[in-house]
Amino acid sequence: DAKTTQPNSMESNEEEPVHLPCNHSTISGTDYIHWYRQLPSQGPEYVIHGLTSNVNNRMASLAIAEDRKSSTLILHRATLRDAAVYYCILRDYSNSGYALNFGKGTSLLVTP
Amino acid sequence: DSGVTQTPKHLITATGQRVTLRCSPRSGDLSVYWYQQSLDQGLQFLIQYYNGEERAKGNILERFSAQQFPDLHSELNLSSLELGDSALYFCASSADEGVSYEQYFGPGTRLTVT
Repeated sequence: DAKTTQPNSMESNEEEPVHLPCNHSTISGTDYIHWYRQLPSQGPEYVIHGLTSNVNNRMASLAIAEDRKSSTLILHRATLRDAAVYYCILRDYSNSGYALNFGKGTSLLVTP
Repeated sequence: DSGVTQTPKHLITATGQRVTLRCSPRSGDLSVYWYQQSLDQGLQFLIQYYNGEERAKGNILERFSAQQFPDLHSELNLSSLELGDSALYFCASSADEGVSYEQYFGPGTRLTVT
């Protein structure tokens, strides 16, 4: 499986934009880039995904580099509820089928 | 609320015992995944079922087994429990298979083995 690299932790002020980076230099042409987050004491939650083009949804935006070797999850206005561990995951069919391969993620702290 | 339900929420049992965790996927979702989350190993994939058939296995111990029933709910059976099996067990469902289908996670079952 292609690997991703994320910072262990990041901090943001409430109501400020947050840019969460993810490096995936060994990404293959068929890998989708998925982001999930896990709020404290909850199960993981789908955030967004994309293949080549930038994507927007009600939760966030995903900016994908032209060479696809990196991506950035953008939370436009962080709230206290956005404090969570954010996982950047590359998905392709593998020995684990279509399962999600979670790494350590980035722990986002949002301060008032 | 993801629409995925898991029971029980908490389970405390002794070493050597057997337990069954239950998962009801979102209405209409055909695929069910089981994951284990422990402090030292993080979130790890255990096993996947699709429309009643086993599709993929991850780091699942031989003491663990699962099945998906005709009504699409799934059960994860853990036997000969050891202290190291203490963890959060999550079930996730998706509408279909494929890399573009997002997974919806349940609230988890916290298993404590004493």
